[in-house]
Amino acid sequence: GENVEQHPSTLSVQEGDSAVIKCTYSDSASNYFPWYKQELGKRPQLIIDIRSNVGEKKDQRIAVTLNKTAKHFSLHITETQPEDSAVYFCAASYGDNYGQNFVFGPGTRLSVLP
Amino acid sequence: DTEVTQTPKHLVMGMTNKKSLKCEQHMGHRAMYWYKQKAKKPPELMFVYSYEKLSINESVPSRFSPECPNSSLLNLHLHALQPEDSALYLCASSQGTASQETQYFGPGTRLLVL
Repeated sequence: GENVEQHPSTLSVQEGDSAVIKCTYSDSASNYFPWYKQELGKRPQLIIDIRSNVGEKKDQRIAVTLNKTAKHFSLHITETQPEDSAVYFCAASYGDNYGQNFVFGPGTRLSVLP
Repeated sequence: DTEVTQTPKHLVMGMTNKKSLKCEQHMGHRAMYWYKQKAKKPPELMFVYSYEKLSINESVPSRFSPECPNSSLLNLHLHALQPEDSALYLCASSQGTASQETQYFGPGTRLLVL
């Protein structure tokens, strides 16, 4: 089955700096890679996703890159703000007629220091 | 309506109780999911319903019994739970079960088993 690793487990940055979180996956059948942000006591919220036919995607201060050959993808947050502080989960997914199998990475706790 | 709702928000139950968790979405999504999330851990997939039929059961103990009465509703029936079952139970939905479908999460039910 799929295995997703995520690094680092914790990350502290100064406000305004960039943050990078990296994930690797094991199953070459995975073709969808979302990133979720989860604040304490809240639901996971999708912040950006990338599909296997795309190498990079950007949405304002957030970008994701995918290297299918190396089986890794990364989240980049620029100009970080205190409200970016949360736990970030990457996931790798493949789907078929039976269902979509999401496997999450262990998470990265991001702290943005004012 | 672009939201997944869950009731109750919090639930405390004894090991001999029977209770149910409810999930609802009105986005016309045809796939619905149950996840379990322990503190400081990523969500773990429990069940997938595709077009109201159970399609994936990730080896979940029989004390958890899912039910999908219609395309908008998903229940999780709980019976004879153990204290280690205490967790946040998240429901999610997606348009379908094909590859690369975005999953949207509900706010979760925080369950405590005494």
